[in-house]
Amino acid sequence: KAGVTQTPRYLIKTRGQQVTLSCSPISGHRSVSWYQQTPGQGLQFLFEYFSETQRNKGNFPGRFSGRQFSNSRSEMNVSTLELGDSALYLCASSSDPSSTDTQYFGPGTRLTVL
Amino acid sequence: GNSVTQMEGPVTLSEEAFLTINCTYTATGYPSLFWYVQYPGEGLQLLLKATKADDKGSNKGFEATYRKETTSFHLEKGSVQVSDSAVYFCALLSTSGTYKYIFGTGTRLKVLA
Repeated sequence: KAGVTQTPRYLIKTRGQQVTLSCSPISGHRSVSWYQQTPGQGLQFLFEYFSETQRNKGNFPGRFSGRQFSNSRSEMNVSTLELGDSALYLCASSSDPSSTDTQYFGPGTRLTVL
Repeated sequence: GNSVTQMEGPVTLSEEAFLTINCTYTATGYPSLFWYVQYPGEGLQLLLKATKADDKGSNKGFEATYRKETTSFHLEKGSVQVSDSAVYFCALLSTSGTYKYIFGTGTRLKVLA
């Protein structure tokens, strides 16, 4: 079974631009979560989608948004990029966290904002 | 609210030394507990998990026991190898209210040959 895939793996943008990251979950998984990982803040939860609905949201500004498609693939968008948005963005999928099922992570997209 | 506290790193050990990475949690109800490992340049991989009190998760020589009385889930390995060098994350999944994973800040382990 293929794992979680994320594209692109690396991205360089400049301040003020916007970016879209993509995540394809493991086949059959309906929950997709996004995290931001930085050296200073560790792993911070952005949001979780389940069956195309945002079910949970972390404490990030409205510049960070996401969506999930009917095939469970998810995209995350960051508008008006700031230098502080430079981070590794991780996507994780599970069948449904409410069943205590395990989250499986993708390799991440490393975003650098210049 | 729910939270996870891990011992700060980095932890530096010689090969074959005993490893303990402390993890304590605060949560309502009965959360599931996890240890994830992140190797350089990669995403997180599940190392082991425990879903109820007194459960012991184990994998690749690593063990952790879910201790409800001390709200702890310490990671241990009897003899570390250079290949164990990585960042280790303790996490909980609350099963009451919103189902959201909470991660600790991570502990970097460096094993020297």
